Amino acid sequence: AQSVTQLGSHVSVSEGALVLLRCNYSSSVPPYLFWYVQYPNQGLQLLLKYTTGATLVKGINGFEAEFKKSETSFHLTKPSAHMSDAAEYFCAVSVGGSNYKLTFGKGTLLTVNP
Amino acid sequence: DAGVIQSPRHEVTEMGQEVTLRCKPISGHNSLFWYRQTMMRGLELLIYFNNNVPIDDSGMPEDRFSAKMPNASFSTLKIQPSEPRDSAVYFCASSSDDRGIEAFFGQGTRLTVV
Repeated sequence: AQSVTQLGSHVSVSEGALVLLRCNYSSSVPPYLFWYVQYPNQGLQLLLKYTTGATLVKGINGFEAEFKKSETSFHLTKPSAHMSDAAEYFCAVSVGGSNYKLTFGKGTLLTVNP
Repeated sequence: DAGVIQSPRHEVTEMGQEVTLRCKPISGHNSLFWYRQTMMRGLELLIYFNNNVPIDDSGMPEDRFSAKMPNASFSTLKIQPSEPRDSAVYFCASSSDDRGIEAFFGQGTRLTVV
């Protein structure tokens, strides 16, 4: 069975600083990996995903993530945080490319300080 | 497209009452998912439909929960009788197929059982 571990339930950064949200996964087969963002009182929105091919994936709002198989990681980064990035971020893994087998991490709440 | 539409957005009910949550998936999508989000357990898949057929309901907590998808444009999640521990945010999501393509989430229904 697959699993996702997000390190740090709460990350706080200053506006303009680097954002780094950590995600490690466990999967016995090649995974599909996702990052979703949830703004207050909203549903989840896909930020980016890795399926196959290039391991550095670029998403919306300036975010990117790199799939590192040797480290079983899929960390999310953004060079310069903006106040509007404050939200909860979820890493997810699916097996066999199937949406219905999406397993989510517990989430990381990102706070951006002025 | 208006996206995945869920109703109601908020529901407060008394223990023992029946609760029905509704979902209209994005037109043309053939996969539909019901998730539950709580602080303790995070995001959990309750049930997955493909082409209106329930494929996996192993995440449904117990017999008090039931879900239907009578046609491609409508699904319901029913809890009868409701209990305080059912209080959570319930999300519906849909996707155009089951092959790891983006799942689009509704804004959720916040259920409070008192």
